[in-house]
Amino acid sequence: QVQLQESGPGLVKPSETLSLTCAVSGYSISSGYYWGWIRQPPGKGLEWIGSIYHSGSTYYNPSLKSRVTISVDTSKNQFSLKLSSVTAADTAVYYCASGSGYGKRNWFDPWGQGTLVTVSS
Amino acid sequence: SYVLTQPPSVSVAPGQTARITCGGNNIGSKSVHWYQQKPGQAPVLVVYDDSDRPSGIPERFSGSNSGNTATLTISRVEAGDEADYYCQVWDSSSDHIWVFGGGTKLTVL
Repeated sequence: QVQLQESGPGLVKPSETLSLTCAVSGYSISSGYYWGWIRQPPGKGLEWIGSIYHSGSTYYNPSLKSRVTISVDTSKNQFSLKLSSVTAADTAVYYCASGSGYGKRNWFDPWGQGTLVTVSS
Repeated sequence: SYVLTQPPSVSVAPGQTARITCGGNNIGSKSVHWYQQKPGQAPVLVVYDDSDRPSGIPERFSGSNSGNTATLTISRVEAGDEADYYCQVWDSSSDHIWVFGGGTKLTVL
């Protein structure tokens, strides 16, 4: 059964780059359909950040596209998120998730436990 | 961009039926998925592809989708069902976009 675990700094300074990694176990990341990052500001709802397909194709939330990069490291069976020029508005719990589905049917299951990233000087 | 609208809150007594709606333009033409999120926990998929349940999810959870509204129905509600619920679709009209609704807080009275 696939399991995901996020890791990275819990505190990032404004204007710097947020970097997180999602380690995948129980499944080969190169065999997966796609992988995604989703975030949740404190007390608010879920916001999709971006997804990367096993082919390497990436898709990003238009509101974040200019600042986001998602990549995969098959040798380490993990994928990563980089979000540049962060502000306090980027403070959130960041989740990684496994994508499933086909055609227009695309959902996330399972999810990692999430990691809180605070942007503050 | 595609927008999903959910009521902020729904309240129901134990044993009754809860219905949580998710509105979107012609959402019936899309595949809708639902997640349950309890405080301090990651979201869990409870319904996918409008009405299918992942293994381990009780039959009390069901879904439907038609026209401009998708609905998550929870029958015989239990105290443990109290949580936030989010709908989600994949929109390809402008690009490959995953969209979440704003979430609905289910309160069990």
